[in-house]
Amino acid sequence: QKEVEQDPGPLSVPEGAIVSLNCTYSNSAFQYFMWYRQYSRKGPELLMYTYSSGNKEDGRFTAQVDKSSKYISLFIRDSQPSDSATYLCATSYDKVIFGPGTSLSVIP
Amino acid sequence: EAQVTQNPRYLITVTGKKLTVTCSQNMNHEYMSWYRQDPGLGLRQIYYSMNVEVTDKGDVPEGYKVSRKEKRNFPLILESPSPNQTSLYFCASRQGARAFFGQGTRLTVV
Repeated sequence: QKEVEQDPGPLSVPEGAIVSLNCTYSNSAFQYFMWYRQYSRKGPELLMYTYSSGNKEDGRFTAQVDKSSKYISLFIRDSQPSDSATYLCATSYDKVIFGPGTSLSVIP
Repeated sequence: EAQVTQNPRYLITVTGKKLTVTCSQNMNHEYMSWYRQDPGLGLRQIYYSMNVEVTDKGDVPEGYKVSRKEKRNFPLILESPSPNQTSLYFCASRQGARAFFGQGTRLTVV
């Protein structure tokens, strides 16, 4: 079993839709949870970062962590074409483990 | 501007010809690492360094070497590249759990 699993997609939604991206992880020792966004031909950039269970909101983005079920989610409200990218979830204790990424396309 | 800089961005080489990909960060981070990214496999860590002169293997170290003589630089060395090392490579520096990535180096070994 991979330490971090993520549906690779691709996921295609119309502009304005609510997007839900999800990951599961296997190691309860993971303490930090992150979402990275990677545009084509670019390096990943940190989008959201959280330490605890619960929700963290930043503009149109909400990260949700449920440690009891080892489940991580990213919600994007009012999705825009500029949100089209690959989204990687990541968890960390002493090293960072990345999921394989979900490719998202937001169609105008 | 805080950044991680990799060079070159694109490289095509032949099997067996030694090459080096440079990486430099200006954030004074102690922790640096190299990843390769392949379709369906995601980011896999090759080597990491927790400080100057301290390096260790990641998940896929075979065929790679690194050095950390200065805090800001962390070059990746392929002594004898093979076609299975064709990939997209990222250098990253880290503060706590937050990683900052370079723009990537697309390497093709023919």
